[in-house]
Amino acid sequence: GAVVSQHPSWVICKSGTSVKIECRSLDFQATTMFWYRQFPKQSLMLMATSNEGSKATYEQGVEKDKFLINHASLTLSTLTVTSAHPEDSSFYICSASFAGGPETQYFGPGTRLLVL
Amino acid sequence: AQTVTQSQPEMSVQEAETVTLSCTYDTSESDYYLFWYKQPPSRQMILVIRQEAYKQQNATENRFSVNFQKAAKSFSLKISDSQLGDAAMYFCAYKVGGTASKLTFGTGTRLQVTL
Repeated sequence: GAVVSQHPSWVICKSGTSVKIECRSLDFQATTMFWYRQFPKQSLMLMATSNEGSKATYEQGVEKDKFLINHASLTLSTLTVTSAHPEDSSFYICSASFAGGPETQYFGPGTRLLVL
Repeated sequence: AQTVTQSQPEMSVQEAETVTLSCTYDTSESDYYLFWYKQPPSRQMILVIRQEAYKQQNATENRFSVNFQKAAKSFSLKISDSQLGDAAMYFCAYKVGGTASKLTFGTGTRLQVTL
């Protein structure tokens, strides 16, 4: 149980275009979803926390207009990288938890983004 | 602010041997949780073990066990009978209570397992 999927698993796009990454909880209702970014050989950096039906809370230094997060349902959150540039190339990981559940975040498999 | 420190960037262990990965953290909270996550080359984050701060007993999961020293704010992971499949990045993480609270990760320890 507690499976989280991400789509796509990898994406290549041209500079200036927008890219949407989906994060789905497959067998539970995710009241909270988290978006992380991971550079090669580095740790996970939290970008934002989103609660279903509410605006996302962004970490300091993360541009909310650049990284649009939507958590419209209890099973889906999306991260849209707007006007992507090569420096946005990274590995993006989502995780999810549910109210009343164990104190654990369940992670998706990640999305590798390459901006040319 | 809470911080998590992993002082060993890399560790190596021979197959079937035991290895201990170190983690220290800083917090003023009393209700919190500690985790060890494994990230293999696939980059999928896998929960290895979880420890509730209010529990004095150290958590164990098969070959994985922790040494939780609350006063010293130390949370080390011991892997017994190491296997080739244990080779991965290991991240120590901390969060306060509440399923909406965020995880704070350490910088990670890369574990190599040799024959």
